[in-house]
Formats: sequence, structure tokens, C-alpha cells
Amino acid sequence: KAGVTQTPRYLIKTRGQQVTLSCSPISGHRSVSWYQQTPGQGLQFLFEYFSETQRNKGNFPGRFSGRQFSNSRSEMNVSTLELGDSALYLCASSLGMPGLAGWSEQFFGPGTRLTVL
Amino acid sequence: QKEVEQNSGPLSVPEGAIASLNCTYSDRGSQSFFWYRQYSGKSPELIMSIYSNGDKEDGRFTAQLNKASQYVSLLIRDSQPSDSATYLCAVNIRGYQKVTFGTGTKLQVIP
Repeated sequence: KAGVTQTPRYLIKTRGQQVTLSCSPISGHRSVSWYQQTPGQGLQFLFEYFSETQRNKGNFPGRFSGRQFSNSRSEMNVSTLELGDSALYLCASSLGMPGLAGWSEQFFGPGTRLTVL
Repeated sequence: QKEVEQNSGPLSVPEGAIASLNCTYSDRGSQSFFWYRQYSGKSPELIMSIYSNGDKEDGRFTAQLNKASQYVSLLIRDSQPSDSATYLCAVNIRGYQKVTFGTGTKLQVIP
């Protein structure tokens, strides 16, 4: 079974620009979560989508948004980029349906390394 | 108080020894617990999940959960240099697909 894929793997942007990151989950997984990882803050939860609906959201400003499509693929958008947005953005997929064995086990993609200049 | 706390390390152990990694969490509603391994420059990899009190063994790895003490640990037996990585503890409250991660413990296995 193919793993989680993320595109692009690397991205360089300048302040004020916007960026869209893409994530394709493991086949059969309906939940996609997004995380930001920085050396200082560790892994920070951004949001989680299940069946095209955002179920949970972390403490990030409204510049960070996401969506999920009917095929469970997800995109994350960051508008008006700031220098502090430079980070590794990770996507993780899971079954997402309580009651299923291992429903909340998350499997990560390779990440997108975003650099804001 | 942080939701999930880990000692940042580094934890250094000699090759062949047992490495013990610890994690505490603050929310008594937590139901699912995970250990991830992250090599430098790579994404986290799930190595263990545990849901009920007690021990769960998988090869050289044993996860231990004590909900009364709000404590979860990971033991790595016969540690190998290839085990050198950062180990992340993660906690999920039942019914919510929001996993909170600790900041990780860096493990160094000395040959």
C-alpha cells in the first residue's frame, strides 16, 4: 500500500506571498491532519479534516487554512507569508473513524520544507 | 502545564543496553497513546500504539501505560546505534482526532 505523499517537497517563498501545499493520504484513510514542525516549537497541530469537514483546529492564525476533497486528498494554504512560517509542514493520515481498530494511528508523509525569505 | 511532557535529553546509552523513555500527559480523558521515532531530517514514523493499562511488546520495543499516574513509557531493549533518533510521545483524546505531541527525547546509542 502506498504511503502518504506530499507535494512539493521544498518551497522557497518571500514574505507576503501565499503558498498551497498538497497531501494525498494512504488509500482508505479518510482523516488528514496537518502539523507545523520547527526546532523551537516541535510539532504543532494545525487542523484535521475528515470526509471534507474540518473536525479540529489548532491555535494558528486565520492565514492558515485547509480543505479536503471527496477523494480525501487535502490542501493547506498559508496566505501573507511571514518569516516565522518557515518550517517543515507535515501531513498525516489515519482511518479517522472511531470504533475501527487503530482508527487514530497516524502515518506521516515526508513533509514540505517551506522557507520564507 | 504542558499537555504532553518529555525530557528533551539527550539520553545516552551504550549499545546493547536498555533505553527508557518517559512521557507524562495532563488530560485524564486521553485514551490513545503513541510513540514515534524521527530521524534527523525525516518525518515521524509510528513505532508503537497503546490503549490500555499495562505493557505492550513489539520486538525490542515495549510500551508501558499507567493511566492513574498519567504516564507512558517506551523501553528499547538491546539498543543499537540505528536507534539513535528523537522519540516523540503523542496523545489522542477519545472522540477527537487531535493528536498532541511532546517535544521529543533525543536518544544517542553509543557503540
